Amino acid sequence: AQTVTQSQPEMSVQEAETVTLSCTYDTSESDYYLFWYKQPPSRQMILVIRQEAYKQQNATENRFSVNFQKAAKSFSLKISDSQLGDAAMYFCAYRSGTYGGATNKLIFGTGTLLAVQP
Amino acid sequence: GAVVSQHPSRVICKSGTSVKIECRSLDFQATTMFWYRQFPKQSLMLMATSNEGSKATYEQGVEKDKFLINHASLTLSTLTVASAHPEDSSFYICSARDHRVLGYGYTFGSGTRLTVV
Repeated sequence: AQTVTQSQPEMSVQEAETVTLSCTYDTSESDYYLFWYKQPPSRQMILVIRQEAYKQQNATENRFSVNFQKAAKSFSLKISDSQLGDAAMYFCAYRSGTYGGATNKLIFGTGTLLAVQP
Repeated sequence: GAVVSQHPSRVICKSGTSVKIECRSLDFQATTMFWYRQFPKQSLMLMATSNEGSKATYEQGVEKDKFLINHASLTLSTLTVASAHPEDSSFYICSARDHRVLGYGYTFGSGTRLTVV
């Protein structure tokens, strides 16, 4: 079974600085998808960024980028120019590349609570 | 973008009563919907996966008779907490998958905070 591990329960960053959140996963599959979700105090889950395992290029969305190391099974999230609105719980998630049935589900890590200091 | 509406956002009920939570995909058809439970400062725990027109697939340890899931149409799934007790108090979140988007397309509802007194 696949697992997702986030080893940093809490992180803190100064406004305008850069922070990296760690995520590792375990799978025997070669085709899969990885995601970072943000959950602010409103508790609405918001997709931050996604990565297809078959793509070697790291995904980037504005100030958010990932460092995808497939061999190491690592998928870290870098937030540049941190803003107060980035304060939230961040979840790393995995989804199998096999289609149909239970493989559609997202497997979440335990989350990292990010605080942004003014 | 895709929108999922979840209602109610908050509900308080007496112990022993049943509560129904609705999850609707507003601008896309969702053949698959997911129900999660989340405790404070913890991750989302998948309870069940529901496919339109068929029985839900429950995760290990989730009581099927307690958490009744119905996915009768391509845009609506409901979670009924039967005979709720204080230990069922939690935050419940639904997610719908837009199958037009290959591989991803997961949209989450805004959640329901259930308090059983």
